[in-house]
Amino acid sequence: SQQGEEDPQALSIQEGENATMNCSYKTSINNLQWYRQNSGRGLVHLILIRSNEREKHSGRLRVTLDTSKKSSSLLITASRAADTASYFCATDARYGSGNTGKLIFGQGTTLQVKP
Amino acid sequence: DAGVIQSPRHEVTEMGQEVTLRCKPISGHNSLFWYRQTMMRGLELLIYFNNNVPIDDSGMPEDRFSAKMPNASFSTLKIQPSEPRDSAVYFCASSLGGLNTGELFFGEGSRLTVL
Repeated sequence: SQQGEEDPQALSIQEGENATMNCSYKTSINNLQWYRQNSGRGLVHLILIRSNEREKHSGRLRVTLDTSKKSSSLLITASRAADTASYFCATDARYGSGNTGKLIFGQGTTLQVKP
Repeated sequence: DAGVIQSPRHEVTEMGQEVTLRCKPISGHNSLFWYRQTMMRGLELLIYFNNNVPIDDSGMPEDRFSAKMPNASFSTLKIQPSEPRDSAVYFCASSLGGLNTGELFFGEGSRLTVL
């Protein structure tokens, strides 16, 4: 079953606007990660937030994590045309006191930033 | 480092043929993952290795799929016999491993088309 689910599935904005993508997951986690994928390319890691963290920043990226709601959001501020890509959340599921060791990805949000 | 290297980048084959996809992880990384990406099913984890040992192959769709990691610098994913529904982009990724699944480094993928 899918661990992470993003919404919206697609987002189209103008350059300079902010983009917010949301991710929900089902099980307890050790950490949650966000990745970016340009068309025809491999995924690239953006940011990792641990289960005991609530917010993290990296440049124009801001990630929040609410473990009580099993949800996370990725905010890209002052978007640029070059931000056009698909964005995926991924969770490192935790079962009991152990770690599954595997990263499960959501279906992704396709972001289009118009110049 | 050159990053995760996958070959071939593109493969077109006929139904029933054997397909072998290859992956060279980043030197020093202890964990290796094989994912499959399709429009319908998104990114699916097929199998992952830790220290060359298969840890979880529950995502391997059928007995037609097999994966090996004979040493720390090489892994293969084999499909025999191939079917049209195997058409997808297959990604290999590696990570440092450890107690929590950290950042994954992805290759550029192998796009497989089975006619």
